Amino acid sequence: DTAVSQTPKYLVTQMGNDKSIKCEQNLGHDTMYWYKQDSKKFLKIMFSYNNKELIINETVPNRFSPKSPDKAHLNLHINSLELGDSAVYFCASSHHSKQETQYFGPGTRLLVL
Amino acid sequence: DAKTTQPTSMDCAEGRAANLPCNHSTISGNEYVYWYRQIHSQGPQYIIHGLKNNETNEMASLIITEDRKSSTLILPHATLRDTAVYYCTPSNDYKLSFGAGTTVTVRA
Repeated sequence: DTAVSQTPKYLVTQMGNDKSIKCEQNLGHDTMYWYKQDSKKFLKIMFSYNNKELIINETVPNRFSPKSPDKAHLNLHINSLELGDSAVYFCASSHHSKQETQYFGPGTRLLVL
Repeated sequence: DAKTTQPTSMDCAEGRAANLPCNHSTISGNEYVYWYRQIHSQGPQYIIHGLKNNETNEMASLIITEDRKSSTLILPHATLRDTAVYYCTPSNDYKLSFGAGTTVTVRA
């Protein structure tokens, strides 16, 4: 059983389109995250939700909007895609406390043409 | 947020121990030190973490200096499957702050 899953695995799209990436965890965790890994391989946090409440919102363009329908899901919607959005996006989850281990999904490779 | 410094790369012979250093001199008192690795663009994988005491699990050992300004991850018997980028990151307030990491190549 996959603990943290993401769909799609690959996403190729045109500039200006709107796309969504889905994340689900079956670990019973309360907190979920989105990270972005750029071409230089730096991994940076974008958002974090705890019990469906936004707790971390780093400096991310407002074209990116996370949505958490329930504790097990955290989706990422991106409007008006730009070339610079091309990256690998990782979802992660952890128990509720601030120091808990995070478990990552396999990543979604987004390519904007 | 604490910043970390790690060697860019490191080679290790298969079957030998790999010692990966990390400098985190600005870490605050309540921040844990976490180690993750990323194998060929897969999702980062948790290895081990600690606050003050040395820690050991089935994957690795973590040695933290008494002043907490640095730590060393030890892979006791490296295998080819341990080839990966290893990240040392402080954890505070839900955030992990990944740096560039150390690319470890295990050679037969």
